[in-house]
Amino acid sequence: DIQMTQSPSSLSASVGDRVTITCRASQTIDSYLNWYQQKPGQAPKLLIYTSSNLHSGVPSRFSGSGSGTDFTLTISSLQPEDFATYYCQQSFVTPTFGGGTKVEIK
Amino acid sequence: QVQFVQSGAEVRKPGASVKVSCKASGYIFTEYNIHWLRQAPGQSLEWVGWINPADGNTLYSEKFQGRVTLTRDTSAATTYLDLRSLRSEDTAVYYCARDPTVNDFFDYWGQGTLVTVSS
Repeated sequence: DIQMTQSPSSLSASVGDRVTITCRASQTIDSYLNWYQQKPGQAPKLLIYTSSNLHSGVPSRFSGSGSGTDFTLTISSLQPEDFATYYCQQSFVTPTFGGGTKVEIK
Repeated sequence: QVQFVQSGAEVRKPGASVKVSCKASGYIFTEYNIHWLRQAPGQSLEWVGWINPADGNTLYSEKFQGRVTLTRDTSAATTYLDLRSLRSEDTAVYYCARDPTVNDFFDYWGQGTLVTVSS
């Protein structure tokens, strides 16, 4: 299985901050990297697919980049509704997920 | 709108089986693969397998091979996850989710079903 490593595992930020989360794959996955947001007690929601494509209805403050083994999710200006846990997921082979990054209020 | 409604929470003893359902609406059921995933308490997500609703073809994670079966009822637009020989480590929220492009990412999810395995 391809291992996905996210960093940091948690972060504290303020409304309006620019936030960057990184995800590293244990081997190359081309651009087959997806990002999800999950709030407590809810199912995950798709944000970004194949590295940089914004899912329908997702605010443009979310963006993704990267290819090969290193990827980033950026929130350009953090909003109150963005406090959640974020997961990366590779779809190059059998799907696997990162350990998650919890974004908390500073 | 695309929606998935899953069956309610279940409690089972070790060694038992559980069957969870996932009813789809808002799109043509046979056009997209359905995946099942799970999330143990406080943990990340784990992929279980997928089913092609059009022909019933399935693919399972090696971790669950031999213990899990995915089936579907096209007349009811419903898929089912059947997990056998349950152990405490199977305690988790189980999700169904749609794959919009056969590229193994998931655009719409069910609300989740908590399965608790406890003696």
